[in-house]
Amino acid sequence: QKEVEQNSGPLSVPEGAIASLNCTYSDRGSQSFFWYRQYSGKSPELIMFIYSNGDKEDGRFTAQLNKASQYVSLLIRDSQPSDSATYLCAVSLNAGGTSYGKLTFGQGTILTVHP
Amino acid sequence: DGGITQSPKYLFRKEGQNVTLSCEQNLNHDAMYWYRQDPGQGLRLIYYSQIVNDFQKGDIAEGYSVSREKKESFPLTVTSAQKNPTAFYLCASSDSGGAIGNEQFFGPGTRLTVL
Repeated sequence: QKEVEQNSGPLSVPEGAIASLNCTYSDRGSQSFFWYRQYSGKSPELIMFIYSNGDKEDGRFTAQLNKASQYVSLLIRDSQPSDSATYLCAVSLNAGGTSYGKLTFGQGTILTVHP
Repeated sequence: DGGITQSPKYLFRKEGQNVTLSCEQNLNHDAMYWYRQDPGQGLRLIYYSQIVNDFQKGDIAEGYSVSREKKESFPLTVTSAQKNPTAFYLCASSDSGGAIGNEQFFGPGTRLTVL
């Protein structure tokens, strides 16, 4: 079982729709969760991070965390063609300091927003 | 401008050669990381360093070496022992200011191709 799993997609949504990206993780000790966006040929850029159960909103983006279900998601409202990219979920483990700041990434979900 | 720089952007290596990838940051971040990304895959951690003159192996350290002589610099050497080095290499840094799972910021990457 992979430590961090995402549907590889591609996920295709029409412009203006809500895109829902999902991520599950295996280690119950995971403390913090990150969503990165990566355009083709470019490096990842941080969109959002979340530490506590529940929702966290930032503009058109909402991150949702459910630690009991070991599940984190990213919702993109009013999707735009410029949102077309690969979205990477990353999880940080905290194991006595030795994993401090270390991220484990999922394989990414390709999102395509069509006009 | 604060940020992370990587050089070169593209690198070609002959089999049997060692090559060194540069990573510099002026964000005053304590921690630095090296990842490898293969097509359609997430990021895999090669090495990371939380303080100067100290570094730890990540998940795929075999065939790679690093040094951390200065806070702002974390070069990666891909040795001839790395059997399949063709990949996109990403350097990242984070501020280890006391909280767990601090978000990481990425440089633009180096694309290495073995001829």
